Amino acid sequence: AQRVTQPEKLLSVFKGAPVELKCNYSYSGSPELFWYVQYSRQRLQLLLRHISRESIKGFTADLNKGETSFHLKKPFAQEEDSAMYYCALMANAGKSTFGDGTTLTVKP
Amino acid sequence: GAGVSQTPSNKVTEKGKYVELRCDPISGHTALYWYRQSLGQGPEFLIYFQGTGAADDSGLPNDRFFAVRPEGSVSTLKIQRTERGDSAVYLCASSLTGEDTQYFGPGTRLTVL
Repeated sequence: AQRVTQPEKLLSVFKGAPVELKCNYSYSGSPELFWYVQYSRQRLQLLLRHISRESIKGFTADLNKGETSFHLKKPFAQEEDSAMYYCALMANAGKSTFGDGTTLTVKP
Repeated sequence: GAGVSQTPSNKVTEKGKYVELRCDPISGHTALYWYRQSLGQGPEFLIYFQGTGAADDSGLPNDRFFAVRPEGSVSTLKIQRTERGDSAVYLCASSLTGEDTQYFGPGTRLTVL
């Protein structure tokens, strides 16, 4: 069975500071990992997926198979980054397992 | 273009009643997903359709939950004999195929009194 753990429920940083949202997973195979974001009063949307290796809104995430982690990072946080972030794993086509999310607050 | 839409946005019902939740996916998307999100938790997978058929229904919690997608577009999630524990936000998503980016709807907030 697959599992996704986001150890921090809440994370608060100051504008301009680096931010790292942690995600650990358990799965015996080769999963596909995602980060989703939900801004206030908006619907859940994809932020990035590891196979695309893109940097979206300055965020990057590296899949570390040895540590089974997929931490989300941004070198300089902005106030508009304040949102709920979910890490997700897709082991089989169509079925995704989500973590319980981290609420990021970027203070001015 | 139009995104995924869900109706109703809110549904309040009494314990034991039957409810139907509707999802209109993005036109042309063959894959459709239902999730349930309880307060303070992430979305929990319920079922995945590829076309008209349920490709994976392993997340349905019990036989009170059923979903259909008869024409490969609109889907309905049906819950019989609702219980207070069914109260949650029910999310629908669609994607071009089962491996593409999922686009989420706004959700239906179900409250069972």
